[in-house]
Amino acid sequence: KNEVEQSPQNLTAQEGEFITINCSYSVGISALHWLQQHPGGGIVSLFMLSSGKKKHGRLIATINIQEKHSSLHITASHPRDSAVYICAAPLYGNKLVFGAGTILRVKS
Amino acid sequence: NAGVTQTPKFQVLKTGQSMTLQCAQDMNHNSMYWYRQDPGMGLRLIYYSASEGTTDKGEVPNGYNVSRLNKREFSLRLESAAPSQTSVYFCASSEAALFTGELFFGEGSRLTVL
Repeated sequence: KNEVEQSPQNLTAQEGEFITINCSYSVGISALHWLQQHPGGGIVSLFMLSSGKKKHGRLIATINIQEKHSSLHITASHPRDSAVYICAAPLYGNKLVFGAGTILRVKS
Repeated sequence: NAGVTQTPKFQVLKTGQSMTLQCAQDMNHNSMYWYRQDPGMGLRLIYYSASEGTTDKGEVPNGYNVSRLNKREFSLRLESAAPSQTSVYFCASSEAALFTGELFFGEGSRLTVL
């Protein structure tokens, strides 16, 4: 059982829809990472957050430290948002444990 | 600004062959990492390096060796490749201390071992 759980595993949305991807982890952490992996394979860091909320363009990340839960929201989704979204948490001695990823497909 | 550069991008090996994956970063980062990515699983840490000349084992180090000869470069070597090492390999770096701060990834190296 992965100690960083993401849901859903797969998500298909229509262009313009509001999207939420969830991430739960098993122990208290100092910060959580959200990453994006495009179909070409490259991985980019979207957010690193330790409390509250961060926003970058149409992407919003929130974290609830007490509930050990984070969400990534995409507003007004677009086909170019189609990618794998990965969360990662420093669970053991700050070593990052990665979720298996959420495959998002946005249809036009 | 190239960021993190990995070579080669694709490689096919036969069981028992050896090869080295090269990684270089031009951001003057201290910390560097090698991960592997397998279908249905999260990225798993193979080895990491806090600074030039230092390396440590991660979660799945068996069958691999690494070398951090200078601040820019961190190479991953497979001495005797096995089919279980078929994977996509990612090199990453971070400015901050180990496992803190934003991670910067290379584009990945897809390795197939027959």
